Amino acid sequence: GAVVSQHPSWVICKSGTSVKIECRSLDFQATTMFWYRQFPKQSLMLMATSNEGSKATYEQGVEKDKFLINHASLTLSTLTVTSAHPEDSSFYICSAIGLADSYEQYFGPGTRLTVT
Amino acid sequence: QKEVEQDPGPLSVPEGAIVSLNCTYSNSAFQYFMWYRQYSRKGPELLMYTYSSGNKEDGRFTAQVDKSSKYISLFIRDSQPSDSATYLCAMGAYTGNQFYFGTGTSLTVIP
Repeated sequence: GAVVSQHPSWVICKSGTSVKIECRSLDFQATTMFWYRQFPKQSLMLMATSNEGSKATYEQGVEKDKFLINHASLTLSTLTVTSAHPEDSSFYICSAIGLADSYEQYFGPGTRLTVT
Repeated sequence: QKEVEQDPGPLSVPEGAIVSLNCTYSNSAFQYFMWYRQYSRKGPELLMYTYSSGNKEDGRFTAQVDKSSKYISLFIRDSQPSDSATYLCAMGAYTGNQFYFGTGTSLTVIP
């Protein structure tokens, strides 16, 4: 149980275009989802926290208009990188909490974004 | 001072060795503790979690929490080459949804 999927696993896009990444909890309802960014050989950097049906809470320094997060249902959250630039190239990982009285965070497999 | 400190390594051990990975933290409000394993270009995989001081064992893995010293450890017995990965500690308090991650320790188990 507690499986989180992400799609796509790898995407290449041109500078100036937008990219949408989906995060799904497959076998549980995720009340809270998190979006992280990870550069090579570095730890996870939390970008934002999203709760189903409400606006995401962004970490300091993360542009909310650049990284649009929608948590439309208890099993789906999306991250849209708008007007992507090469510096947005990174590994984006989502995670979810949802099990009752649980604090464990389950991660998706990640999405590698390359902006050319 | 960072909330969570973790030695980044890298750590290199021979196959069969006992591996000790550690994290220290500063916030006495932290009540739950987790260890994740992350292979290159993959999402972190939850290995162990615990909500109390003491030891918790799962196969070759033992998680140890000492709240009085604000120190947690992950022990890997009979290490295997497949254990080669980055290990991240994570922790948080019951109030709020904030998690704090260590920077990760890179482990290589040499056959």
